[in-house]
Amino acid sequence: QSALTQPPSASGSPGQSVTISCTGTSSDVGGYNYVSWYQQHPGKAPKLMIYEVSKRPSGVPARFSGSKSGNTASLTVSGLQAEDEADYYCSSYAGSTPWVFGGGTKLTIL
Amino acid sequence: QVQLVESGGGLVKPGGSLRLSCAASGFTFSDYYMSWIRQAPGKGLEWVSYISSSGSNIYYADSVKGRFTISRDNAKNSLYLQINSLRAEDTAVYYCARPTVAKNFDCWGQGTLVTVSS
Repeated sequence: QSALTQPPSASGSPGQSVTISCTGTSSDVGGYNYVSWYQQHPGKAPKLMIYEVSKRPSGVPARFSGSKSGNTASLTVSGLQAEDEADYYCSSYAGSTPWVFGGGTKLTIL
Repeated sequence: QVQLVESGGGLVKPGGSLRLSCAASGFTFSDYYMSWIRQAPGKGLEWVSYISSSGSNIYYADSVKGRFTISRDNAKNSLYLQINSLRAEDTAVYYCARPTVAKNFDCWGQGTLVTVSS
């Protein structure tokens, strides 16, 4: 069982928006502004999409955004495109652990 | 560009050992902490271990403590993971990844598959 809880699946049609949640505790998500999100296509390595809750690395489209409220972080993908179909993982710094991940959410483009 | 290339995975019997390697290029390896993260087939990501830039600070996940040993050779731009007393639940793709000061992993290797089976 993963330390952070994500829905196993999410879906949306091209052009729509979808939000994926990531729930932790006050020891990880709620305690630090070090939540990150990773995109993973089948057979590929994860790719950093969001860091420090809401920052985007260079090259990541502005369609990807992140937020946090209490112990729950969220990733929103706006203007869905076919290439956004992938698995998405959240991660949080957790102090002594020190990193925990979510179980992943499979995003399907309808 | 920044590149991490893992090697050393394979099929090993329960109780066996393997040494994974990660060759780094495109950045000053000795300036960075490094980490191993694994992913069991069809499962999520699990942080395994990290090592400070000098090698003086090392941390392990409870699930591997006492069986796995992380090390690095800054002269060779290489990271290692010695895995002993392997169990079926250690079967996974093992990724080498670079943590940042922002507590994320900004660069990942392609992974190396470790399969533990009799």
